[in-house]
Amino acid sequence: DIVMTQSPDSLAVSLGEKATIHCESSQSVFKRSENKNYLAWYQKKPGQTPRLLIYWATTRESGVPDRFSGSGSGTDFSLTITNLRAEDVAVYYCQQHHSLPWAFGQGTRVEIK
Amino acid sequence: ELHLEQSGTEVKKPGESLKISCQGSGPRHNFNSYYIAWVRQVPEAGLEWMGIIYPGDSDTRYSPSFQGHVLISADRFAYTAYLQLNNLQASDTGIYYCARMGKSPTNVNYGLDVWGQGTTVIVS
Repeated sequence: DIVMTQSPDSLAVSLGEKATIHCESSQSVFKRSENKNYLAWYQKKPGQTPRLLIYWATTRESGVPDRFSGSGSGTDFSLTITNLRAEDVAVYYCQQHHSLPWAFGQGTRVEIK
Repeated sequence: ELHLEQSGTEVKKPGESLKISCQGSGPRHNFNSYYIAWVRQVPEAGLEWMGIIYPGDSDTRYSPSFQGHVLISADRFAYTAYLQLNNLQASDTGIYYCARMGKSPTNVNYGLDVWGQGTTVIVS
């Protein structure tokens, strides 16, 4: 099974600054036949359902602000939030859907410093 | 656009079973042609992927962490997926979500793009 590991577990960032979350998979999640990384990022706020932010590692879901961006390939990925806003306080998860079981990372909590 | 509606809060005793439903609706929703995943969030913990089902043919896969403890099924005529939890324990207390695995026009999966509102399960 592919294990997803995020770092850090939490981070505090000042308003307007940048937050970067890392996600490492124990095996490559690159699907050669599709030339895509099967890696998604989600945002989870208390009392709300999870929200898909980024898919295929770098593609922003419709309606997601462009201050959210994804990068990486193979086994190492990052989610960057630039110009952090108060409404970005949440827990962020990466998830691979390359191989069953489709595991999530343990989550990274983003707070305002 | 697909909307997923889940059944309501459940309060159960240890050892009991329950079945949660997740019904798809909306114009041209095509519920049966997407994988539906079940995801759990227990208090103070992260998201856990439990398993998936393809309602069109009921192809089902489980996470090893939940295999034998849960049963995922679907009724394609009712556009509904189900999650049955057996022999409930206090550690099963949490919120259970169904979610659609979105796919591109070329049928490439991309992520869980539509989520049900969540079903709270309390085992006490």
